[in-house]
Amino acid sequence: QQPVQSPQAVILREGEDAVINCSSSKALYSVHWYRQKHGEAPVFLMILLKGGEQKGHDKISASFNEKKQQSSLYLTASQLSYSGTYFCGTERNSGNTPLVFGKGTRLSVIA
Amino acid sequence: DGGITQSPKYLFRKEGQNVTLSCEQNLNHDAMYWYRQDPGQGLRLIYYSQIVNDFQKGDIAEGYSVSREKKESFPLTVTSAQKNPTAFYLCASTFRGARTDTQYFGPGTRLTVL
Repeated sequence: QQPVQSPQAVILREGEDAVINCSSSKALYSVHWYRQKHGEAPVFLMILLKGGEQKGHDKISASFNEKKQQSSLYLTASQLSYSGTYFCGTERNSGNTPLVFGKGTRLSVIA
Repeated sequence: DGGITQSPKYLFRKEGQNVTLSCEQNLNHDAMYWYRQDPGQGLRLIYYSQIVNDFQKGDIAEGYSVSREKKESFPLTVTSAQKNPTAFYLCASTFRGARTDTQYFGPGTRLTVL
């Protein structure tokens, strides 16, 4: 039930774009995205609900394709501060239950 | 300021000892969670609680125990039965525990077994 994230790691130069994908083998109601700096707590970025909505957070946006059971996180014109590990979290079943997280995508932005 | 506090930040334990990790929140959140994080493994759920005096096992509950006597507090005990306890432990909370609720994390406790 754990969502699969790809790629596992990516290195960017400042100003480049990146896409991080999150796929599930089961139907999804929502997808949550978090970013974690090394040794720190994960920080919430956004929630996407089914309906194909797209959200944005500064220069970070995301889409949710419920038919394909996947979500993508788009980072445009990357900054050094974008470095960290990105996690997607999905619900376990139809009830109010904790999220199950992917293994993460490590993003490194270099000057 | 509202938030989640975890203490201590770093903890060292000898093999065979039980140790309790503290988690307190003043966000008035109903649901609280404990996760374990190992390199390359993401966040794995240990226990969670959606109301006071009730809690459920997560995916890796063996060797751990919790209590939820107060809404604000959800301590985690790592027992000597946990075979490989060295890890980064994160506590989190949400308002109702619903799928649309944002999950907030504490700063974490890094446990090292010597």
